[in-house]
Amino acid sequence: DAGVIQSPRHEVTEMGQEVTLRCKPISGHDYLFWYRQTMMRGLELLIYFNNNVPIDDSGMPEDRFSAKMPNASFSTLKIQPSEPRDSAVYFCASSLSGSYNEQFFGPGTRLTVL
Amino acid sequence: AQSVTQPDIHITVSEGASLELRCNYSYGATPYLFWYVQSPGQGLQLLLKYFSGDTLVQGIKGFEAEFKRSQSSFNLRKPSVHWSDAAEYFCAVGGYRGNQFYFGTGTSLTVIP
Repeated sequence: DAGVIQSPRHEVTEMGQEVTLRCKPISGHDYLFWYRQTMMRGLELLIYFNNNVPIDDSGMPEDRFSAKMPNASFSTLKIQPSEPRDSAVYFCASSLSGSYNEQFFGPGTRLTVL
Repeated sequence: AQSVTQPDIHITVSEGASLELRCNYSYGATPYLFWYVQSPGQGLQLLLKYFSGDTLVQGIKGFEAEFKRSQSSFNLRKPSVHWSDAAEYFCAVGGYRGNQFYFGTGTSLTVIP
């Protein structure tokens, strides 16, 4: 299995631009999680999906952030417009049966907003 | 509310020395406990997990952890640290209806040659 795949691995953009991060979960997994990691705030859960349906988006910082999961094999996290404080590493993770099982993490996308 | 505490932000050990990383959790039922490792520039990798049964669990890379319900702890141990163990270590708790993990803030491990 290829594991969780994220793209791009690195993204540098200017303030105000739209940023789209992509994730392909492990086949067969029914949960997908988006996290953000910064030095100041550590690892934060942004949103998670169960069977492609968003379950809890309370961690999404503001309306500039949105996430979709159009099918079981693809999810996007969009930031529009981006701001310098959005600079972070964004991780996607997937699991089978939610928190009753381990989460498998992707390699992350390092986002830099200038 | 569920929470995970890793009281040590940073630990430095000499190569070959033993290691113990502390993790305490707050949870109202039987927890599902996990330890993850994150090497620089990498995602999180599962070291080991505890769901039930034997309270001493073995993981990858020679790590083990012991679940102590009376102390609400799940400390990670390794008898002899290697330089390649230098990384960030995260404890996490799950296993309830919320379906999300709660991660600790992490412990950064430095290994001195």
